[in-house]
Amino acid sequence: SQTIHQWPATLVQPVGSPLSLECTVEGTSNPNLYWYRQAAGRGLQLLFYSVGIGQISSEVPQNLSASRPQDRQFILSSKKLLLSDSGFYLCAWSLDRLDTQYFGPGTRLTVL
Amino acid sequence: DAKTTQPPSMDCAEGRAANLPCNHSTISGNEYVYWYRQIHSQGPQYIIHGLKNNETNEMASLIITEDRKSSTLILPHATLRDTAVYYCIVRVATSGAGSYQLTFGKGTKLSVIP
Repeated sequence: SQTIHQWPATLVQPVGSPLSLECTVEGTSNPNLYWYRQAAGRGLQLLFYSVGIGQISSEVPQNLSASRPQDRQFILSSKKLLLSDSGFYLCAWSLDRLDTQYFGPGTRLTVL
Repeated sequence: DAKTTQPPSMDCAEGRAANLPCNHSTISGNEYVYWYRQIHSQGPQYIIHGLKNNETNEMASLIITEDRKSSTLILPHATLRDTAVYYCIVRVATSGAGSYQLTFGKGTKLSVIP
């Protein structure tokens, strides 16, 4: 069966510091991978998606970037965090664009 | 993707069936109904989805009306662990259209009471 991991689970970072969040998927090959952000009291916002290694599409302009160095690894990064980057970051995977998306446990980021 | 309407909150006694309604009156013929839930501070969990026919899995049953304008998620024997926000989503199912984004509304906060 497939599993998806995210780490760290929680993170508190000062404004201006760098960020690296990691997501890995097990039990499947060539998945579509997604990064979402869920701000308090708001819905899910798709940040990035990837259909293959090195292929990243950004849904919204922002302070963040994503990379996919390996088939089942998806990384969310920032060079300098802003207060507005605080939120709950979710990684998800699916077999293809129209298939069911399955979410990881999430990383709660607080920028102070 | 079509919009959905759900009641903001519901209570259910432990051990009883929880019936969560969802209206999707503008659903198109090529759109699925999906249900997810999110327990506090966890990632959303996929529950079930369907197109026209009723569906059942180990977690829940999905009843879709004949005109497909509404559906009901049924948790047959609710437990305290089922307390969560339940999201009903309508999503295109055919190639050539639709986006990668899953659009969650405000959902229904289900409280299972001992």
